[in-house]
Formats: sequence, structure tokens, C-alpha cells
Amino acid sequence: GAVVSQHPSWVICKSGTSVKIECRSLDFQATTMFWYRQFPKQSLMLMATSNEGSKATYEQGVEKDKFLINHASLTLSTLTVTSAHPEDSSFYICSARRPSPFSGANVLTFGAGSRLTVL
Amino acid sequence: AQKITQTQPGMFVQEKEAVTLDCTYDTSDPSYGLFWYKQPSSGEMIFLIYQGSYDQQNATEGRYSLNFQKARKSANLVISASQLGDSAMYFCAMREGNSGNTPLVFGKGTRFSVIA
Repeated sequence: GAVVSQHPSWVICKSGTSVKIECRSLDFQATTMFWYRQFPKQSLMLMATSNEGSKATYEQGVEKDKFLINHASLTLSTLTVTSAHPEDSSFYICSARRPSPFSGANVLTFGAGSRLTVL
Repeated sequence: AQKITQTQPGMFVQEKEAVTLDCTYDTSDPSYGLFWYKQPSSGEMIFLIYQGSYDQQNATEGRYSLNFQKARKSANLVISASQLGDSAMYFCAMREGNSGNTPLVFGKGTRFSVIA
């Protein structure tokens, strides 16, 4: 249980186009999801916190107009990279808190990630 | 300042050996959680083990154990009886507070390799 599905796994696009990445919690509801970005051989950096029914909270330095986040339902959050450029090429990974019998754990379950390559 | 520090860029051991992956953290919040995740080359993040700041005992999950030294602010991961399939990046992470709506902050990771 507690699966987070992320789609697409791989995407290649031309510079200037927009790309949408979906993150779904398959068997639980997630009022909050987190979007991370990971450049090659680096750690995961938090981009934004996605809140169902309200605006996302972006980390410092992340352009909210470029990385549009929509959390329209309790099981779906989307990240749209608008007017993508080669420097946006990265591994984008979403996560959601899965229900746990140990409430203190609040374990985050991650999607499999989406590798974006902008040509 | 770094909240999570992993000082070992890479580690390698032979099969069946044990290994300790280091992690130190920095927080002034009395309530926090410490996590270890494994990331194989496929990219997925696999949860391994959790330690709460108020937990009295070190966490254990199968071959994984967490050596939690609160005064030193360290949360080292111990993997016993290493297997070839353990080769991956390992990330230590922290959540401050006990809200499920708080994100994790990750360290830079340690590349762990098991050799036959």
C-alpha cells in the first residue's frame, strides 16, 4: 500500500515548450505533496510544497511562474515546467506522507521520479 | 548552515561485511525525525528506517539499524551483512517538528558500493 505514482518517467522536449508531470497517491489521500528536484550526482532539493485546494508554497529561488503546481484533488498534484530550457533538465520527484501506525514517523513515500531533458 | 551532513562521498565494502554510513544533523527544534533513504540507479527513493528525537531506543529494520547519538547529533546508518543489491546512493534526511506537512531536508548522500 501507500503508493505514489508519477508520470511520465521520462520526457524529452524542445526548448520553449511546457511539460506537465503528474503525481498521484494511489491508495491514500494526500493533502500535502512535496516536489523535489535532483541534478545529476546531487541531493534532492525541495522546490515547493503542494497543498490541496490552495496555492503551493515555493522555496526561495524557485520561480513560481515557471514551475506551476496545481493540487486540485486529494490524490493528484501536477508540476508544469513552463517554457522549459536546457538548464531545467533534471530529475523531478514528488512525495506524499503515507499513513503510518506510528504517527510520529510521518514517512514520506516518493514517486519514481520524472527525468526531464530539454533540448 | 547545513542541516544534514554526510561526510562520506563514497564507501565500499565486500559482501557480507557491515558498514556504517555517517550522518550528522543540526536543529534547535526538540522534536524532529531522522530518516534514511536508498536511491538505486533507477532513481526511486526507498525508505529504510526512521528515528524520532524522543525515541529511547535505536531504530532497527532487518539488516538496517540506526545508531542514534542525540548529544552528538548523529544518526549513522549501519547495514549488516552487505549484499550486492545494497549498492546505491544513501541519503540521510531530517524533518523538523512532528507535522506531516513538513518536508524532509536531505544530505548530499553517500554512494555505497558492495563488491563481490
